[in-house]
Amino acid sequence: SQQGEEDPQALSIQEGENATMNCSYKTSINNLQWYRQNSGRGLVHLILIRSNEREKHSGRLRVTLDTSKKSSSLLITASRAADTASYFCATAYRGATNKLIFGTGTLLAVQP
Amino acid sequence: KAGVTQTPRYLIKTRGQQVTLSCSPISGHRSVSWYQQTPGQGLQFLFEYFSETQRNKGNFPGRFSGRQFSNSRSEMNVSTLELGDSALYLCASSANRVDTEAFFGQGTRLTVV
Repeated sequence: SQQGEEDPQALSIQEGENATMNCSYKTSINNLQWYRQNSGRGLVHLILIRSNEREKHSGRLRVTLDTSKKSSSLLITASRAADTASYFCATAYRGATNKLIFGTGTLLAVQP
Repeated sequence: KAGVTQTPRYLIKTRGQQVTLSCSPISGHRSVSWYQQTPGQGLQFLFEYFSETQRNKGNFPGRFSGRQFSNSRSEMNVSTLELGDSALYLCASSANRVDTEAFFGQGTRLTVV
């Protein structure tokens, strides 16, 4: 399967703590994107990191990309109950820019 | 500007029937992609349309088809529905540039009984 892998599958933390999710993929990419999904609804785009970038920030989000290890991580700092959702990484490959291959997802529960 | 709009939000169909789902992309976006999400298989790419032409295709049987109109709106059709087609179908729109984000609609929840 082309699908990427994410770990952990599920993560439960307290409000105010940091949450880290990891994503691994299989072949060379153009970019990697992170999405959030609440309760089986639509996907909300969080951040895009290009293959020549190593780190990117957006508000409380920090994404890293290690192309040598074919892996990425998403860090959410100072988590809130509203961050409770499933998080997915998606990779875009050369020659098929808009064909996203999604990871298996991490279910994050932030306890108030 | 308005986001990606998918209609209908929910559908219940009987095995053997066919169904058509609709997606209106963000204004100015000419690429529309479709994804199927199930608990067992996760999020899987169905196909992408750009300028009324299918540009990429996933590994789904021919019962799954789509089209795109000149205004970039897209439809996908599933014929001879099977129970396993029950899923959340998501549409994404993108600008036609490398390294551009894909923006998703709220999805259509299809239940086949």
